[in-house]
Amino acid sequence: QVQLQQSGPGLVKPSQTLSLTCAISGDSVSSNRAAWNWIRQSPSRGLEWLGRTYYKSKWYYDYAVSVESRITINADTSKNQFSLRLNSVTPEDTAVYYCASGEYSSSELSSWGQGALVTVSS
Amino acid sequence: QPVLTQPPSASGTPGQRVTISCSGSSSNIGSNNVNWYQQLPGTAPKLLIYSNNQRPSGVPDRFSGSKSGTSASLAISGLQSEDEADYYCATWDVSLNGVFGGGTKLTVL
Repeated sequence: QVQLQQSGPGLVKPSQTLSLTCAISGDSVSSNRAAWNWIRQSPSRGLEWLGRTYYKSKWYYDYAVSVESRITINADTSKNQFSLRLNSVTPEDTAVYYCASGEYSSSELSSWGQGALVTVSS
Repeated sequence: QPVLTQPPSASGTPGQRVTISCSGSSSNIGSNNVNWYQQLPGTAPKLLIYSNNQRPSGVPDRFSGSKSGTSASLAISGLQSEDEADYYCATWDVSLNGVFGGGTKLTVL
């Protein structure tokens, strides 16, 4: 049973970088069958998939078109965790952010973090 | 505007059968499997159906999924009060990558 624990600041200033981390237990971030995803949810945009990373002999990254110029997802094998960085944030990026995992070969997300509200405000 | 279209609301009485639709296109539902999530108030979404019609262990068989062409459906039979939640369909899009529906709020009357 994979468990995901999120951490990171709940308040970010406009134009700065949003950073969140998701610690993994019950699996390895470099598993050759799992993908590690970030999703966000806001009243105006609903659920929005942001991106994922997975390892299959090398690291792969898929990003949502809507944020691909601003997003970076990284895996840290030494800490068994993965992270989200979203640059140049605006109030539109205010949302509850979730990390989630599933099989890399399919799109289902079978384990979710607890969620974290991130507010973009000065 | 969500890529996948769901009705914003649905309702039923206890014991009834309710269906929730999810409409997409050839670039998403038409070429990939559909997953469904249930979100109870204040909690993270939970995987309810994967690969169109498969239930993860622990999900009651009252929940079922189907897909035809560019549309998918979630059916809940023997509706119970604890089924009151938001339901989301999701899949992969060949251009946009991961996509979700706008969600359907299910009310048990």
